[in-house]
Amino acid sequence: KAGVTQTPRYLIKTRGQQVTLSCSPISGHRSVSWYQQTPGQGLQFLFEYFSETQRNKGNFPGRFSGRQFSNSRSEMNVSTLELGDSALYLCASSFSGGRSYEQYFGPGTRLTVT
Amino acid sequence: AQRVTQPEKLLSVFKGAPVELKCNYSYSGSPELFWYVQYSRQRLQLLLRHISRESIKGFTADLNKGETSFHLKKPFAQEEDSAMYYCALNQGGSARQLTFGSGTQLTVLP
Repeated sequence: KAGVTQTPRYLIKTRGQQVTLSCSPISGHRSVSWYQQTPGQGLQFLFEYFSETQRNKGNFPGRFSGRQFSNSRSEMNVSTLELGDSALYLCASSFSGGRSYEQYFGPGTRLTVT
Repeated sequence: AQRVTQPEKLLSVFKGAPVELKCNYSYSGSPELFWYVQYSRQRLQLLLRHISRESIKGFTADLNKGETSFHLKKPFAQEEDSAMYYCALNQGGSARQLTFGSGTQLTVLP
């Protein structure tokens, strides 16, 4: 099976702009979670989508939003970018059935805000 | 709120020596605990989950609910074990929401 893919891999934006990141999960996986990774705060959970619905949300401001499409692909959007939003954004997909909580991670999108 | 603590940011051991990466958690319910590993220039990948009670690449981890710990151990470290290791907690149920520790960079010296 192809792994989780994320596009773009690198992105440079200016403060105040908005950005959209994309994640394609492993075929058959219906749950997609997003994480932010920074040197200072480490890995932090943003939100999880399952069957096009946000199921869980982390402690991030409303500028961070996401959505999931019927094919399970997911996008996250950050509006009014701030310098502190510079981070590696990771997406992870998992199979929704049984007790398998294993999440498979993508390579990440490196966002730099200048 | 759940919390995962990895007290060591850096850990160096010699090849063939035992290694233990510490992980403590706080959570009031019954969590699912995981160890994830990130090798240089590779993506984050699952190493172990407590529910499986398995040994992967010689690593084992036992959930100690009394001490709220989930330490990762290997009796004989190899150079290829050098990587960043993250302990993570999932609060269970239908949630796919991992709380990660800050990570431990393990270096195995020749």
